[in-house]
Amino acid sequence: GESVGLHLPTLSVQEGDNSIINCAYSNSASDYFIWYKQESGKGPQFIIDIRSNMDKRQGQRVTVLLNKTVKHLSLQIAATQPGDSAVYFCAENIGMDSNYQLIWGAGTKLIIKP
Amino acid sequence: DSGVTQTPKHLITATGQRVTLRCSPRSGDLSVYWYQQSLDQGLQFLIQYYNGEERAKGNILERFSAQQFPDLHSELNLSSLELGDSALYFCASSVGQGGVAAFFGQGTRLTVV
Repeated sequence: GESVGLHLPTLSVQEGDNSIINCAYSNSASDYFIWYKQESGKGPQFIIDIRSNMDKRQGQRVTVLLNKTVKHLSLQIAATQPGDSAVYFCAENIGMDSNYQLIWGAGTKLIIKP
Repeated sequence: DSGVTQTPKHLITATGQRVTLRCSPRSGDLSVYWYQQSLDQGLQFLIQYYNGEERAKGNILERFSAQQFPDLHSELNLSSLELGDSALYFCASSVGQGGVAAFFGQGTRLTVV
């Protein structure tokens, strides 16, 4: 079936640098996307979301970019801090016709180097 | 704190047994979702309830069942447990049926021995 996938399973970034986590999706009917952060032993934590009628959305130190032409989603984290170390999941909602089913990516582990 | 409460936090049980995991959603949320996460794996969607009714079903085994009660709390029942059922089980809730962010509890770590 259709799924959301991630380009890199592990990403190492120097503290203070910007991080970019990528996600590819294959369902053109997807209309809503979410990024979650999961720290070790904890539940996924909502970071930011974006609807398909937008191509960019900014939060605190995070920006999500959506490129519907190439079905690509990215999460940018500015000035990466040690507390950003976690696994990041993208999730794709394929809309009312599919009962709002949420498809999850495999996750990218972000490692912060001191 | 997401506002979603799961109990117990840890559970150790033997193969063949049955356990019940409990979830209280955020105040005002009508949807409850259950997910399974095995070690270093992604999230596997099990089932969703909305306002007491089953809304969507994922890869939930027949040995597993769930329900949502009138007060909107939910329980996930796991029976005839096998070693492979050892995992983190997460509950999430959202205000609507979908198309909105869900907020997760801290999970129940189930160990089957």
